[in-house]
Amino acid sequence: GAVVSQHPSWVICKSGTSVKIECRSLDFQATTMFWYRQFPKQSLMLMATSNEGSKATYEQGVEKDKFLINHASLTLSTLTVTSAHPEDSSFYICSARDQGTKTGAGRSGANVLTFGAGSRLTVL
Amino acid sequence: RKEVEQDPGPFNVPEGATVAFNCTYSNSASQSFFWYRQDCRKEPKLLMSVYSSGNEDGRFTAQLNRASQYISLLIRDSKLSDSATYLCVVRGAGGTSYGKLTFGQGTILTVHP
Repeated sequence: GAVVSQHPSWVICKSGTSVKIECRSLDFQATTMFWYRQFPKQSLMLMATSNEGSKATYEQGVEKDKFLINHASLTLSTLTVTSAHPEDSSFYICSARDQGTKTGAGRSGANVLTFGAGSRLTVL
Repeated sequence: RKEVEQDPGPFNVPEGATVAFNCTYSNSASQSFFWYRQDCRKEPKLLMSVYSSGNEDGRFTAQLNRASQYISLLIRDSKLSDSATYLCVVRGAGGTSYGKLTFGQGTILTVHP
């Protein structure tokens, strides 16, 4: 099945530094990837939709200059938390939408969402 | 009002019990509905999709009532391994919202011996 790899799985950094998280679709192409954030004992909140070859779409209240998203290829999206502060400490999870495989009848397996294992960020 | 609201829980049940979770969603144009399971400090994993006619997968039964904008999950014969947080998830309508998932706050289930 489709696999999404997220790296790093765990990162601790000092306040003021920037942290980059990668989300890779390993065996499928993803034109769209989604970045979520989950604070302790809360549910996942969508931060932004990452679109290959174009600018990301950010949800209300999410600072685009703070959370930089780059989706330069069909298999990789990155989220950079710039000038991280302790309040940015959270569990960041990406999901990718399988573009599907071209078949005579159209595309099979398209639009299946797969989640990465998440990246736990702790800012000291 | 939250887009997706769930029973606050937590639910603590003995093995073998039947437990039901409820969920309501606010956007009547929502297209697809799911139940996800999330274990502590892990990513959510799809448990099952929810279809209008209701669907069953082993011990799990999901129901959808579009008129009431209500979704439910029933777990029969609970196992210790069912202990997790259950997330009600709704997928947006077409266009740019397609694929965008909105998660409920989750309901914690603990199954004890």
